[in-house]
Amino acid sequence: QVQLVESGGGVVQPGKSLTLSCAASGFTFTNYGIHWVRQAPGKGLEWVAVVWSDGSTKYYADSVQGRFTVSRDDSKNTIYLEMDSLRVEDTAVYYCARRVTSAPHPFDYWGQGTLVTVSS
Amino acid sequence: DIQLTQSPSFLSASVGDRVTITCRASQVISSHLAWYQQKPGKAPKLLIYAASTLQSGVPSRFSGSGSGTEFTLTISSLQPEDFAAYYCQKLDNYPPIFGPGTKVDIK
Repeated sequence: QVQLVESGGGVVQPGKSLTLSCAASGFTFTNYGIHWVRQAPGKGLEWVAVVWSDGSTKYYADSVQGRFTVSRDDSKNTIYLEMDSLRVEDTAVYYCARRVTSAPHPFDYWGQGTLVTVSS
Repeated sequence: DIQLTQSPSFLSASVGDRVTITCRASQVISSHLAWYQQKPGKAPKLLIYAASTLQSGVPSRFSGSGSGTEFTLTISSLQPEDFAAYYCQKLDNYPPIFGPGTKVDIK
């Protein structure tokens, strides 16, 4: 069955870095783009970033542009989100989700999420 | 960038009620809209895509309609397991943003 499993969350100080992972299984990984979506405590969903199946096409939300970097390792069926210069407002549950690369397909499977807390 | 609004932001209803949630886009997005359900502590779950196509396995009491800038999600007869938050998402191009959400609570 399709599975997406996030890991790497934790507590980090403002200005520091953290890398999240999303391990995929149960589907042909190279056919899908993988997105990161976050949800601050008690708030709504915020799209963060995507890496397409080609591995080179990437888009970022304005709120993380220049600080976050998304990448993929197709040999490990894993997506990474490298988060630098973290801010208190980056505190959230981070979900990865898959989508057939081309619009307008939806996000049909999601991971369970990993919590990132940015606090001094 | 295109913005999405949802109304109402909070809805109190009873089991068996018919519930309608509206999502409006600030520009035309054709039928490129999805709806998700999220329960507390859980990941979002895809309900509807392409504005009106029911995702496999989703009960038929859920339906979607609309195109252009105005869309609706309808639950024909609210069930206990439907009390949750609901989000719309635009899928036409980047960024694939979400609406602010509608929380459906028990009256």
